[in-house]
Amino acid sequence: RKEVEQDPGPFNVPEGATVAFNCTYSNSASQSFFWYRQDCRKEPKLLMSVYSSGNEDGRFTAQLNRASQYISLLIRDSKLSDSATYLCVVNMNRDDKIIFGKGTRLHILP
Amino acid sequence: EPEVTQTPSHQVTQMGQEVILRCVPISNHLYFYWYRQILGQKVEFLVSFYNNEISEKSEIFDDQFSVERPDGSNFTLKIRSTKLEDSAMYFCASMRKKSYGYTFGSGTRLTVV
Repeated sequence: RKEVEQDPGPFNVPEGATVAFNCTYSNSASQSFFWYRQDCRKEPKLLMSVYSSGNEDGRFTAQLNRASQYISLLIRDSKLSDSATYLCVVNMNRDDKIIFGKGTRLHILP
Repeated sequence: EPEVTQTPSHQVTQMGQEVILRCVPISNHLYFYWYRQILGQKVEFLVSFYNNEISEKSEIFDDQFSVERPDGSNFTLKIRSTKLEDSAMYFCASMRKKSYGYTFGSGTRLTVV
C-alpha cells in the first residue's frame, strides 16, 4: 500500500455541484493531516488542516477517519476558481516526515 | 500576510555545476523544509531542518545535497554537482509549529542542461 494514495482524476464537475475527494494513508501513527491546493506551475497552498472531529471552512469540509486511515475533502457549490489539483498531505510528527499524495485534478465546467 | 521568499525564480545551469537555491522563511517559524516537484509528478520531500540541524531527510537527499541556515534568516539548498535529473521545481517551506501546516515559497525552477 502506498504511503499516501489519492485518485488522480481528473474530476470534471459542473459548476455548482458537490465534489468529494478521498485520500488513504498507510501509517497508522500519522498525526497531522492537511489538504493543499496547487494551481498549474505554482506552489502548494494550504487549504485546510484536518482534525479528528472534522472541520468546515465555508464551502469546504474535511474529515478524518483514523480507523480506516483515510481523510476526505468535500467541496459544495463548486466554483470555476476551484479548478486545481488537490493534494493530501500526511505528517508523522514523531520523525518529521511529510508525505504528499500525487494529487487529484479537479476541473469545474461552466 | 507573511510569505516565504525564494530566489532565484528560475535557474539554468550546466550539468556538473554547483547551484545554491535560497529561501527566506517566515521570521517566527521554527521548522524549515525543502521539497521538489519534477514536472507532472508529485511533490517530493527532500529534507527538514530544525534547531540548526537536519531532522529528517529522504532517499533523494544524498551526498550531493546540503542545507544551511547561515545567518538566522536565510535557508539554502546546495546541489554540488547537478545532474539532468535534478531539473525540477524546488519549493522551500516553513512552519511555526507542528500540525499548523506549512507555508510554501513560490519555488525555484531549476533547469540542468
